[in-house]
Amino acid sequence: GAVVSQHPSRVICKSGTSVKIECRSLDFQATTMFWYRQFPKKSLMLMATSNEGSKATYEQGVEKDKFLINHASLTLSTLTVTSAHPEDSSFYICSASTSGSAYEQYFGPGTRLTVT
Amino acid sequence: GQSLEQPSEVTAVEGAIVQINCTYQTSGFYGLSWYQQHDGGAPTFLSYNALDGLEETGRFSSFLSRSDSYGYLLLQELQMKDSASYFCAVKVYNTDKLIFGTGTRLQVFP
Repeated sequence: GAVVSQHPSRVICKSGTSVKIECRSLDFQATTMFWYRQFPKKSLMLMATSNEGSKATYEQGVEKDKFLINHASLTLSTLTVTSAHPEDSSFYICSASTSGSAYEQYFGPGTRLTVT
Repeated sequence: GQSLEQPSEVTAVEGAIVQINCTYQTSGFYGLSWYQQHDGGAPTFLSYNALDGLEETGRFSSFLSRSDSYGYLLLQELQMKDSASYFCAVKVYNTDKLIFGTGTRLQVFP
């Protein structure tokens, strides 16, 4: 149980275009979903926390107009990278938690974004 | 703020025991978790310490000392497949957020 999927797994886009990444909890309802960014050989950096039906809470330094997050249902959250630039190239990972989980988050397989 | 420091890299041979340390500065948290991540993959949960002391889960054990602001992950009977990055993480009080440590890359050699 507790499977989280992400789509797409890899995406290449041109500079200036927008890219949408989906995160789905397949077998449970996720009260909260999180979006992380990870550079090669670095740690996971929390970008934002999203709760179903409410606005996402962004971490300091993360541009909310650049990284649009929509948590439309208890099983789906989307991250849209708007007007992407090469510096946005990174590994984006989502995770989900349930109301009964005090400590564990379930991670998606990640999306490798390359902006050319 | 929160910060969790780990050694950047650790190497060991198959069958050996290795300890990965995590020292932290945080205002308050529920417990210390450990995650494993293979290259290009998703982090997977390994262990959790809510209280001080040792928690054992098969070949992996984790330890927490709140008074020393310190924890570690102990991996025994190392296997080649244990080569991965390992992260400690804390869930901050009054939030659902996990803050991750700097990460340790473990390389296991034959």
